[in-house]
Amino acid sequence: NAGVTQTPKFRILKIGQSMTLQCTQDMNHNYMYWYRQDPGMGLKLIYYSVGAGITDKGEVPNGYNVSRSTTEDFPLRLELAAPSQTSVYFCASSSSGDSAVDSNQPQHFGDGTRLSIL
Amino acid sequence: AQSVTQLGSHVSVSEGALVLLRCNYSSSVPPYLFWYVQYPNQGLQLLLKYTTGATLVKGINGFEAEFKKSETSFHLTKPSAHMSDAAEYFCAVSETGGFKTIFGAGTRLFVKA
Repeated sequence: NAGVTQTPKFRILKIGQSMTLQCTQDMNHNYMYWYRQDPGMGLKLIYYSVGAGITDKGEVPNGYNVSRSTTEDFPLRLELAAPSQTSVYFCASSSSGDSAVDSNQPQHFGDGTRLSIL
Repeated sequence: AQSVTQLGSHVSVSEGALVLLRCNYSSSVPPYLFWYVQYPNQGLQLLLKYTTGATLVKGINGFEAEFKKSETSFHLTKPSAHMSDAAEYFCAVSETGGFKTIFGAGTRLFVKA
């Protein structure tokens, strides 16, 4: 059981380049999330999805885009890379639970993508 | 709006000593509370969670946390630290019936031999 898989693990980009961070989960989870982690700042939610075809902005969405064409995949796109986007990016997923009371399921995280923009 | 405050960005203990990592939250509705651990170059892993019921929650690796509504706290403890506990710990809160989670800034735990 692979869980949440992120690729690539490391990447260096030049300013203005674009790239897609890939995320795949094999747990049939409805909910998927993208976070960025900066030192001393915890995790900030970039975008999230509650199911295939449905996405919404999180706390820090500017400069990013997402899509959710399947339950398994939730890629994150950087169109014009900027130095401020240097960070560690984590993808996570969670199930919807069995009931309204059980809906707050813990999130399962990938190992992250370390992105530097120079 | 929900928020999470972790007191102390760094905590250092000796091996065998008590571990206490502090977390306070704010939430307008009954919260669901989580502690996650992050080892170097890895993603976050769930340590324990509080949903409803018993306020003392036991997790993996000997950790436990107590939900205190009157103090809006959810501190993480372990009676005896081990070198392998050195990691970063994140407290998190989500609203009942919701799915988005707010994470604290994290506390890095150092364990001295």
